Amino acid sequence: GDSVTQMEGPVTLSEEAFLTINCTYTATGYPSLFWYVQYPGEGLQLLLKATKADDKGSNKGFEATYRKETTSFHLEKGSVQVSDSAVYFCALSAVFNDYKLSFGAGTTVTVRA
Amino acid sequence: EAGVAQSPRYKIIEKRQSVAFWCNPISGHATLYWYQQILGQGPKLLIQFQNNGVVDDSQLPKDRFSAERLKGVDSTLKIQPAKLEDSAVYLCASSLDQGEAFFGQGTRLTVV
Repeated sequence: GDSVTQMEGPVTLSEEAFLTINCTYTATGYPSLFWYVQYPGEGLQLLLKATKADDKGSNKGFEATYRKETTSFHLEKGSVQVSDSAVYFCALSAVFNDYKLSFGAGTTVTVRA
Repeated sequence: EAGVAQSPRYKIIEKRQSVAFWCNPISGHATLYWYQQILGQGPKLLIQFQNNGVVDDSQLPKDRFSAERLKGVDSTLKIQPAKLEDSAVYLCASSLDQGEAFFGQGTRLTVV
């Protein structure tokens, strides 16, 4: 079945450091890909998405490119802030799976001042 | 636009008791999801509704969990009887299309 594998954490960084969180997927057909973020004490929020190959999703300085050839959707940010401390989840959904939204295990990111 | 509403926010029960959670999705969203998120893990889909029909409930422990979505709007998720391993955050989400889901704040359940 469709699944997502993301890099294990936790990840601890200093402010202004570069962040990458790896995500790879297995799916039938061409799924839509998402990154969700969960800030401490809050619910899941959509951070960015991409719906077809080579699309780049971006939001709040974060970017991720849908790479069909490597079945990947890695999340990047060039200069993190303390406020980026959160748990990040990679997810996918596909029409062949009735748009069931499947999540990775999550990566906890802590940014230190 | 109002978001997904869930209640209660927190619930503590003893094992073998029953509990119910309520979700009101975003108006007009046909798809509604219930997820279970155990501490340190990603959300696991329990059940997915399209309007008031069930699309996927393959991961729902049907001997103790039940869910319904009356009139294709609000939904309730029930656990009866609860076990210690049911301690988790229960997330409700709704979607208009393409799987982009909007989540509620969740209900944190503690079974003691």
